[in-house]
Amino acid sequence: DQQVKQNSPSLSVQEGRISILNCDYTNSMFDYFLWYKKYPAEGPTFLISISSIKDKNEDGRFTVFLNKSAKHLSLHIVPSQPGDSAVYFCAASADTGGFKTIFGAGTRLFVKA
Amino acid sequence: DTAVSQTPKYLVTQMGNDKSIKCEQNLGHDTMYWYKQDSKKFLKIMFSYNNKELIINETVPNRFSPKSPDKAHLNLHINSLELGDSAVYFCASSQSANEQFFGPGTRLTVL
Repeated sequence: DQQVKQNSPSLSVQEGRISILNCDYTNSMFDYFLWYKKYPAEGPTFLISISSIKDKNEDGRFTVFLNKSAKHLSLHIVPSQPGDSAVYFCAASADTGGFKTIFGAGTRLFVKA
Repeated sequence: DTAVSQTPKYLVTQMGNDKSIKCEQNLGHDTMYWYKQDSKKFLKIMFSYNNKELIINETVPNRFSPKSPDKAHLNLHINSLELGDSAVYFCASSQSANEQFFGPGTRLTVL
């Protein structure tokens, strides 16, 4: 029973264009939604997060949008760069003891030069 | 000055053996975690410790035993290794629910 779903296993985008990565969740009790970036043979690296009480958070080229009614969030990267090529994990966490975090399966982004 | 470090990076062992993976964080965080990334690439939480106390224990076989000697260390000991234990194990730490710092991972291969 996946509480966090990333339905696109991969995405290919031309350099300079926008990358949009999508994520759906089922549990309304999550307090934060996060995006992590992962390169091969490395651990995931935190990219950006959004509180469940907000609908948008922006940090440089990265913007995360949250649609609570649809239980959907998306990560926009603009402009996309070849160095953005990595696996992106969507995650959701609850601000309770232990900060339990549930991860999606990941989307592999290819940015072509 | 690595924030979260794990040793070893690679571990190859025979079925039935007992092995340990060590994790240390120098970020001063109160909470530490162990995750397993299986062959399908899902990252699943196994354990969470807060100030040396076990907080989260997902449905993990009791052959897996975490140990936290202090809040900067969370080690994972695995008894009687099985083929299905082969995976990449990640340690992480955090001070809040909205960001975790991950180690580089330990690739465990059970033959």
